[in-house]
Amino acid sequence: GAGVSQSPRYKVAKRGQDVALRCDPISGHVSLFWYQQALGQGPEFLTYFQNEAQLDKSGLPSDRFFAERPEGSVSTLKIQRTQQEDSAVYLCASSEGQGPYSNQPQHFGDGTRLSIL
Amino acid sequence: GDSVTQMEGPVTLSEEAFLTINCTYTATGYPSLFWYVQYPGEGLQLLLKATKADDKGSNKGFEATYRKETTSFHLEKGSVQVSDSAVYFCALRVTSGTYKYIFGTGTRLKVLA
Repeated sequence: GAGVSQSPRYKVAKRGQDVALRCDPISGHVSLFWYQQALGQGPEFLTYFQNEAQLDKSGLPSDRFFAERPEGSVSTLKIQRTQQEDSAVYLCASSEGQGPYSNQPQHFGDGTRLSIL
Repeated sequence: GDSVTQMEGPVTLSEEAFLTINCTYTATGYPSLFWYVQYPGEGLQLLLKATKADDKGSNKGFEATYRKETTSFHLEKGSVQVSDSAVYFCALRVTSGTYKYIFGTGTRLKVLA
């Protein structure tokens, strides 16, 4: 079946512009995560959705970052007034399970590589 | 807080050599542990996992054992191939709240023919 799909694959924007990154999780997956991966580093958690509810946004680096998942499926990560330090790969992951009793692994998309000039 | 520490790379091996990539963790409770692999130009793929102490995860000739006493989850393979060249990430799944993943910094493996 289809995996996690992210678009665009690459995005170049000028400093100060707003960008929107899209994630299509695996159908039926309840949990959705966004991660930020800087060059040469491991992914770092940004935010988590359980269905349409954003239960944790503790990893969002500033109030310029905003995420939504209005119908509990597709999610969008928006970055306003982009800065050069926002340049990174943004990964989306989904998993079938939720909560402490699920051992379902997260399935990752290929990511969106964002470059801010 | 919870954290994962991986050995730094790059690791360069000849084909058919033995591979070990060290991973240790700090966590509250008993997290699930994972190894993910990222091939050039591709996304993260689950390689193997272990959900409790003494569990051994295995896949494609790779193995890792969840060692609670040493808080480790080292990745091993008896005979590497050129196609194993990739970046390997150790991760833990936190045991409360969002159950998010915490990743190590990754270890790049290069296998020479």
